[in-house]
Amino acid sequence: GENVEQHPSTLSVQEGDSAVIKCTYSDSASNYFPWYKQELGKGPQLIIDIRSNVGEKKDQRIAVTLNKTAKHFSLHITETQPEDSAVYFCAASYSGGYQKVTFGTGTKLQVIP
Amino acid sequence: EAQVTQNPRYLITVTGKKLTVTCSQNMNHEYMSWYRQDPGLGLRQIYYSMNVEVTDKGDVPEGYKVSRKEKRNFPLILESPSPNQTSLYFCASSVTQGAGELFFGEGSRLTVL
Repeated sequence: GENVEQHPSTLSVQEGDSAVIKCTYSDSASNYFPWYKQELGKGPQLIIDIRSNVGEKKDQRIAVTLNKTAKHFSLHITETQPEDSAVYFCAASYSGGYQKVTFGTGTKLQVIP
Repeated sequence: EAQVTQNPRYLITVTGKKLTVTCSQNMNHEYMSWYRQDPGLGLRQIYYSMNVEVTDKGDVPEGYKVSRKEKRNFPLILESPSPNQTSLYFCASSVTQGAGELFFGEGSRLTVL
């Protein structure tokens, strides 16, 4: 089955700096890669996703890049703000058959004011 | 408001006392699933359902049961809870069987003594 590794497990940055979280996946059949943000006491919420036919996607301060050959994808947050502090999960899934989503182990991001 | 509702949000119980965590979604989603979140392990899928009366095991199904008698409801049943089932549980739903956004509930924190 699919295995998703996520690094780092914790990340502290100064407000205004950039943050990068990296994930690798094992199954070359995976073709959908979402990122979820989990604020304290809440359920994860989708913040951005990318499909395997695209190499990069941006949404304001957030961007995701995908390298299919190397089987890794990354989340980039620029100009970090205190409200970006949360746990971030990457995931990988395959759109054929049933939706089997495999999550990474999470990254706790702390943005220091 | 579109949402996934779980109950109870917090529960402390004792070993062997059967309990049910309810999950309901108001988005007419076909796909529903249960995850448990443990420190350092991320989100692991327990069970999923592609539609009414269609359920299947995820990665960590031991000790759990589910049912899907109505499209909107997907309860998680712990017939004889044990301390290793102490965890944070999330229900999620999605509009499609393919790769798409998962909508999560707020979580149910369960402690088994």
